[in-house]
Amino acid sequence: ILNVEQSPQSLHVQEGDSTNFTCSFPSSNFYALHWYRWETAKSPEALFVMTLNGDEKKKGRISATLNTKEGYSYLYIKGSQPEDSATYLCAPGPNTGKLIFGQGTTLQVKP
Amino acid sequence: DVKVTQSSRYLVKRTGEKVFLECVQDMDHENMFWYRQDPGLGLRLIYFSYDVKMKEKGDIPEGYSVSREKKERFSLILESASTNQTSMYLCASRRDSYGYTFGSGTRLTVV
Repeated sequence: ILNVEQSPQSLHVQEGDSTNFTCSFPSSNFYALHWYRWETAKSPEALFVMTLNGDEKKKGRISATLNTKEGYSYLYIKGSQPEDSATYLCAPGPNTGKLIFGQGTTLQVKP
Repeated sequence: DVKVTQSSRYLVKRTGEKVFLECVQDMDHENMFWYRQDPGLGLRLIYFSYDVKMKEKGDIPEGYSVSREKKERFSLILESASTNQTSMYLCASRRDSYGYTFGSGTRLTVV
C-alpha cells in the first residue's frame, strides 16, 4: 500500500494569514499527484493535477509545488479567507485506476 | 459538467439490515469507486470497478459487496449492517488520465 502522509492534520489560522501544508509520498514509480478541496456538506472538488518534477500550479490564491525526486508537494494559500476552510486532500496515483489518499489537512480560517 | 449522484444524503438503518447505497454517473466513465471517510482515518477504499461486471477489492472490503450491472451505476451493499459501518460513504468515477469526480456523499448511521 502506498504510504501518503499529510501534515499538519489540522490548522487554525486568522483571516489574512498565509499558510502551507505538506503531502509526502514514495518517490518511486510516480505518475501524478492530485490535490482536492473538501468543504463541509459538499463533494470533494479537484484543485490540481501535477505530473512533472518542479511543477507549480496556481488557482487564485492557492498554489502548489511538486518535487517528485524527494516525494513531496506543498500547497500554499495566500491571505486565507473563511471560505478557504476545508479539508485538503492529496492523492498520488497512476494514469488509470485508483488513487491513494492522504488523511487530509483540515484548515479552519477564523474571521 | 460530470455528475456523480448518490441516491441518499442521510440514511439511518438498523443493525442486521441489508443496505444498498446507489451511485450513478452520467459521463460514461470506465472506473468507479466506493470510499468511506472516518475522522482521523481519511478516505479508505472499499471496492472499485474498471468496467461493467468487474470489481476489485480495495483496502477494507470486509462486510461489503458491490454490483456493477450497467456502466453508469455502481452499488455498494452492506450485507448485514453493523454499528462499525456508521460512516460517510463517497462514490467517485474517473476517466483515464483524469482525476476523480465525487458524489456528494451518504452519511450512514447504523443503530
